[in-house]
Amino acid sequence: AQSVTQLGSHVSVSEGALVLLRCNYSSSVPPYLFWYVQYPNQGLQLLLKYTTGATLVKGINGFEAEFKKSETSFHLTKPSAHMSDAAEYFCAVTSNTGGFKTIFGAGTRLFVKA
Amino acid sequence: DAGVIQSPRHEVTEMGQEVTLRCKPISGHDYLFWYRQTMMRGLELLIYFNNNVPIDDSGMPEDRFSAKMPNASFSTLKIQPSEPRDSAVYFCASRATSGANVLTFGAGSRLTVL
Repeated sequence: AQSVTQLGSHVSVSEGALVLLRCNYSSSVPPYLFWYVQYPNQGLQLLLKYTTGATLVKGINGFEAEFKKSETSFHLTKPSAHMSDAAEYFCAVTSNTGGFKTIFGAGTRLFVKA
Repeated sequence: DAGVIQSPRHEVTEMGQEVTLRCKPISGHDYLFWYRQTMMRGLELLIYFNNNVPIDDSGMPEDRFSAKMPNASFSTLKIQPSEPRDSAVYFCASRATSGANVLTFGAGSRLTVL
């Protein structure tokens, strides 16, 4: 069965500092991996995705993530945090062993301090 | 396209009442998912459909919950009778087989059961 673990339910950074949100997954076959962002009172929006090919993927708003198969990780980073990045971030996995259903991690709330 | 449309956005009801949540997926998307989001349990997959057929309903909490998809442009999630512990935000999401498993979410239906 596939699963997703996000380390840290809350992360706080200063504006301009590096953002690092951690995600580890479990899947018996090559997975599709995603990061979604949720702003208050809204649905989730796709930030970036990994399917095949290049392991470093770039998304919207300056975010990127690197797929590391050996570590079963897909950590999300952004070099310089902006106040508008404050939101909840979800890592997700889809694989054909799960019937192509998408399973989400518990989420990490990012706080950005001025 | 207007995106995934959910109604109602907010529902307040009393314990024991029937609740029906509605979803219109994006035209051409052949998968539809219902998720429930709570502080305690995060985002839980309740059920998903492919070409209007339920594929996996193992996440439906109990018999009080039912979901239907009578056609490609409409789905309902029904709770009967409702209980206070059903209070949550319910999200509908859709995707296309050709869309690299990317989900598009609706804005959610916030249910409060008193």
